[in-house]
Amino acid sequence: NAGVTQTPKFRVLKTGQSMTLLCAQDMNHEYMYWYRQDPGMGLRLIHYSVGEGTTAKGEVPDGYNVSRLKKQNFLLGLESAAPSQTSVYFCASSPEQLQPQHFGDGTRLSIL
Amino acid sequence: GEDVEQSLFLSVREGDSSVINCTYTDSSSTYLYWYKQEPGAGLQLLTYIFSNMDMKQDQRLTVLLNKKDKHLSLRIADTQTGDSAIYFCAERIGLGGRRALTFGSGTRLQVQP
Repeated sequence: NAGVTQTPKFRVLKTGQSMTLLCAQDMNHEYMYWYRQDPGMGLRLIHYSVGEGTTAKGEVPDGYNVSRLKKQNFLLGLESAAPSQTSVYFCASSPEQLQPQHFGDGTRLSIL
Repeated sequence: GEDVEQSLFLSVREGDSSVINCTYTDSSSTYLYWYKQEPGAGLQLLTYIFSNMDMKQDQRLTVLLNKKDKHLSLRIADTQTGDSAIYFCAERIGLGGRRALTFGSGTRLQVQP
């Protein structure tokens, strides 16, 4: 049971570089989410998706883009990385809106 | 998580009970969750409670909800060293919207042998 898989697990970028984080879930969940976790804070929602082909902004969407071309995948892109985006990024999915979310193990991203 | 508050740290001895507290501000919360995060890992759902319930018990875990005071607690009976982790309280407010889940900052539970 893979559940929610995030790749890569670690990455170091230079300011201005771009990259894409991949989230894959094998539970046929409709809803998918991207969060960031910073020290001393809870998780904050970046973007989310309520189904294939849909995306919506969360609390802290600036500097990020997302795509949900396939139901099982939710991609998070950083167009021009900034040091303020150094964080641990978590992907989650849920079958329905009010159902509990299942989380991946996270991607630790450092931007120098 | 300015709308959900938790104490930062709790230390207990192995075998004792642990009580982790959480306060929230939005009275329209529908579900309230407890997640556990071990070092270097993602969040693992422990349990959740619907807002029309006062208590939920699941093996060693007991969740108490006081809607009047907007207070949620997680009690872990017979705490073990494997329970050492960060525990996050989260609330789900209504349907849709930008926030999905609102998390507290997490309580680090340290279990001493």
